[in-house]
Amino acid sequence: DAKTTQPPSMDCAEGRAANLPCNHSTISGNEYVYWYRQIHSQGPQYIIHGLKNNETNEMASLIITEDRKSSTLILPHATLRDTAVYYCIVRTNSGGSNYKLTFGKGTLLTVNP
Amino acid sequence: GAGVSQSPRYKVAKRGQDVALRCDPISGHVSLFWYQQALGQGPEFLTYFQNEAQLDKSGLPSDRFFAERPEGSVSTLKIQRTQQEDSAVYLCASSLRSGRTDTQYFGPGTRLTVL
Repeated sequence: DAKTTQPPSMDCAEGRAANLPCNHSTISGNEYVYWYRQIHSQGPQYIIHGLKNNETNEMASLIITEDRKSSTLILPHATLRDTAVYYCIVRTNSGGSNYKLTFGKGTLLTVNP
Repeated sequence: GAGVSQSPRYKVAKRGQDVALRCDPISGHVSLFWYQQALGQGPEFLTYFQNEAQLDKSGLPSDRFFAERPEGSVSTLKIQRTQQEDSAVYLCASSLRSGRTDTQYFGPGTRLTVL
């Protein structure tokens, strides 16, 4: 699976949009971009995933650049409960038996009052 | 509905003791994963089950680590002769099917401290 690069930390004011970037310049055509988050002392929580089109759900939006080398997770109205480590993961969907998620160190997002 | 549950939530062991960590996946989920998370790091894959079959154990760090899922539901991760470097949070995840893009749902983890 392709490697990802994320900033180690970001701050955001409560009520504002949080935009979390991720670089995945070596992504290949059959790899999806996944986002998970981990609130302190909890297990990771699935947020959203996409292949090449932008995606939106009740939690967030995922914007993937046309060349697919980077993406941005958008939390439209961040709350204090969104403070967590956010992981960007690329995951292949073909070949072999590699079903695992490969986590990096992620981005610690701190939402401030 | 009920999510993935793990027990115990916290375990303290003396070096050299054996420990067993339990995972109850979401009912009906075919796939089950174990991950290890060291302090300040992201989770790292240990092993994967599809029903009762252990299809991938490439992430198990040594032969002291053993996992089973005999009836295709509950799984146990056993660590023999624990060492201090085994101290970590052990996370279990399950997914409904065996498809590569299926969402994995994680439990709260078991924090193991080896003294």
